[in-house]
Amino acid sequence: DVKVTQSSRYLVKRTGEKVFLECVQDMDHENMFWYRQDPGLGLRLIYFSYDVKMKEKGDIPEGYSVSREKKERFSLILESASTNQTSMYLCASSSPGTGLREKLFFGSGTQLSVL
Amino acid sequence: AQTVTQSQPEMSVQEAETVTLSCTYDTSESDYYLFWYKQPPSRQMILVIRQEAYKQQNATENRFSVNFQKAAKSFSLKISDSQLGDAAMYFCALTSGTYKYIFGTGTRLKVLA
Repeated sequence: DVKVTQSSRYLVKRTGEKVFLECVQDMDHENMFWYRQDPGLGLRLIYFSYDVKMKEKGDIPEGYSVSREKKERFSLILESASTNQTSMYLCASSSPGTGLREKLFFGSGTQLSVL
Repeated sequence: AQTVTQSQPEMSVQEAETVTLSCTYDTSESDYYLFWYKQPPSRQMILVIRQEAYKQQNATENRFSVNFQKAAKSFSLKISDSQLGDAAMYFCALTSGTYKYIFGTGTRLKVLA
């Protein structure tokens, strides 16, 4: 089974801190995604990457950046955390081999609280 | 713009009964895929069922089936013989050949013993 691992299940940070959320997948997937999940808003795409060192902005990229130096690892960076970035962050991966409609494999999420 | 709407924030069903979760969507694309994802308390989202828009036949996966009404842009999920393990947040999602998946706001399903 595909495994998508997010480094932290819960994280508490202070306003202004630089925050790194790590995601690793073990199935050699080309595509990786970062979503933000908020009650009543569903999942919103922050960034995605379709190859090493390649990245594209999603719907809500402001205040975030990403890094993909290796195929299996996709990091989300909050340059200066703010309270409105308190949220659940979900990482996902997929393989375009069978088309981009292939299903997403998700990690277990990181619940980030910014105080 | 593509949209996905889930109008039921919460639903309840008695164990062993059947429940239907609603989803409507809007897209101008002719080729697209629709999904139902389940997010249990463990938080890890898993795919429940997938429907290709070009297929007229409704997808089924064991106790899960969809009612895909293309003209009405409706994609409801039916869960038969509901089990306690079905309790979760359910998200409807749409993708049309880009990297973008559009998710609905979710429906929380409670299963009553």
